Amino acid sequence: KQEVTQIPAALSVPEGENLVLNCSFTDSAIYNLQWFRQDPGKGLTSLLLIQSSQREQTSGRLNASLDKSSGRSTLYIAASQPGDSATYLCAVMDNNDMRFGAGTRLTVKP
Amino acid sequence: DAGVIQSPRHEVTEMGQEVTLRCKPISGHDYLFWYRQTMMRGLELLIYFNNNVPIDDSGMPEDRFSAKMPNASFSTLKIQPSEPRDSAVYFCASSPFLGRNTEAFFGQGTRLTVV
Repeated sequence: KQEVTQIPAALSVPEGENLVLNCSFTDSAIYNLQWFRQDPGKGLTSLLLIQSSQREQTSGRLNASLDKSSGRSTLYIAASQPGDSATYLCAVMDNNDMRFGAGTRLTVKP
Repeated sequence: DAGVIQSPRHEVTEMGQEVTLRCKPISGHDYLFWYRQTMMRGLELLIYFNNNVPIDDSGMPEDRFSAKMPNASFSTLKIQPSEPRDSAVYFCASSPFLGRNTEAFFGQGTRLTVV
């Protein structure tokens, strides 16, 4: 079965910094990869969806890239803000199901 | 569409009691997923359905857990009897299909506490 890993588990940065979150997966035969945001005690909010045929997707200050052959995706957050503090999860959909990484807990300090 | 709707939002029950969690997927979505989220294990896929049929239940932790989808607009996850280690947030998600151009949509979750 697909295994999804996220590094680092936690990250703390000062406001204004650019940062990168990493996601890796073991089976490259995927349909897509989705990045979610989860605030404490809340549900999951979809941020970006990258199809397997795409290399990257952008939404505002967020940019997600996908290198399917190497089983990696990154989420780049530009000019981080305290409001970006949350847990970020990546999920991989393949022809079996959808699996999640454990998430990266991001803290942006004012 | 109101999105994926889960109920209840919070459930507190005593050990040994039966617990039933409910999910209404987005209309027209053929796939429904049940996940459990804990601090220790993150988001784990428990079971998923395609057109109301359970496809993979290998993630269901024990026989105490069961899930049904009697029709396209309703699914239940039942725990009987419940135990304190079942305490977690249970999420339901739906998607139109498994494919490149599809994303999954999540409910707000049910926070279960078994005391």
